[in-house]
Amino acid sequence: DTEVTQTPKHLVMGMTNKKSLKCEQHMGHRAMYWYKQKAKKPPELMFVYSYEKLSINESVPSRFSPECPNSSLLNLHLHALQPEDSALYLCASSQSLTSGSEQYFGPGTRLTVT
Amino acid sequence: EDQVTQSPEALRLQEGESSSLNCSYTVSGLRGLFWYRQDPGKGPEFLFTLYSAGEEKEKERLKATLTKKESFLHITAPKPEDSATYLCAVPRANMLTFGGGTRLMVKP
Repeated sequence: DTEVTQTPKHLVMGMTNKKSLKCEQHMGHRAMYWYKQKAKKPPELMFVYSYEKLSINESVPSRFSPECPNSSLLNLHLHALQPEDSALYLCASSQSLTSGSEQYFGPGTRLTVT
Repeated sequence: EDQVTQSPEALRLQEGESSSLNCSYTVSGLRGLFWYRQDPGKGPEFLFTLYSAGEEKEKERLKATLTKKESFLHITAPKPEDSATYLCAVPRANMLTFGGGTRLMVKP
């Protein structure tokens, strides 16, 4: 089973709201990722967790706050977002951070900031 | 700096018309090249990993090949359901560097 699940599928939020995106995998993978994808562009890496610890933060604004409660779960907490943050947010996982380790993506959360 | 370039950006085919998508890369010490399929509004679906020049992998109407400078995704007798964006990516420092993607449209 190579399934990564994400909730919610769609989210509309105002600029003053606080919301969270959730991601779950049951493949025993130890690396998890958050990506942001704009229309007609490839995914852009935001954060990488390895063994539940933040490994990479690609200079993401502090209004995005990741959390990895355990090896199967990854959250992305959102606060005071801007309309330009509207995008498809993708979660992915891989066996490890070893180069060449295949990443499996979830279906994404379509976020609209009004 | 590692670079991944895909061509063409968009490709329109008639059903049954075979073609190839290209992924050119400049990376030091290639440790794999991945192909993904992405449908609109959905997450990328993993297709293939290629690790060394000369390697080939197949799945239904798709065949991926790898040389020292590029990878090709060959589509044989495509069907409308093959319409999607195809992404290639190479791992670099625990991250993936993606190409810009090729949007494939197959008309019946």
